[in-house]
Amino acid sequence: GIQVEQSPPDLILQEGANSTLRCNFSDSVNNLQWFHQNPWGQLINLFYIPSGTKQNGRLSATTVATERYSLLYISSSQTTDSGVYFCAVGWGGYNTDKLIFGTGTRLQVFP
Amino acid sequence: SQTIHQWPATLVQPVGSPLSLECTVEGTSNPNLYWYRQAAGRGLQLLFYSVGIGQISSEVPQNLSASRPQDRQFILSSKKLLLSDSGFYLCAWSRTSGAEQYFGPGTRLTVT
Repeated sequence: GIQVEQSPPDLILQEGANSTLRCNFSDSVNNLQWFHQNPWGQLINLFYIPSGTKQNGRLSATTVATERYSLLYISSSQTTDSGVYFCAVGWGGYNTDKLIFGTGTRLQVFP
Repeated sequence: SQTIHQWPATLVQPVGSPLSLECTVEGTSNPNLYWYRQAAGRGLQLLFYSVGIGQISSEVPQNLSASRPQDRQFILSSKKLLLSDSGFYLCAWSRTSGAEQYFGPGTRLTVT
């Protein structure tokens, strides 16, 4: 099956710093999503980005499907950015789309 | 707008007891529905998905089963819980295959 690897596994930042999270995948994918899991476990949709670049406020994401990776940029980090960030790829044929999750990047932002 | 509900939010059950977790979606029709499980400190794993009423696909052989009795209702069940069934269970929906998936608040299950 497909492998989804995220790096770094852990990241500690001071408020105001910038960071880049990476997601590598081992096969062609139908789609790609980035999520933020807050301390209560809720998965918050950040980006649906099978290819290209998107921006939403301080966050942006780029997926290069041909090279099988995606990047999530967080600028001017805030303490509320803390949590676990997951990359998930949609893999499988028609009507069998399943999200395969990476192991996540745990981000801690300190004031 | 669309909303996804799950209940209960938390559950503590003894080994060997039955299980029923419910997920409902509002504001859309004929969604694809999914059940995922997250073990402590790990990523999510797809358990079941459904593209329509009565249509269930299983991804992982296990002690669990799923049913979709109504268009926007998805139920996860077990006849006899095992310790290894403990985890965080999340329901998700999408408009169609390949589309963005949206997750519910989850049910935290502890089997004792």
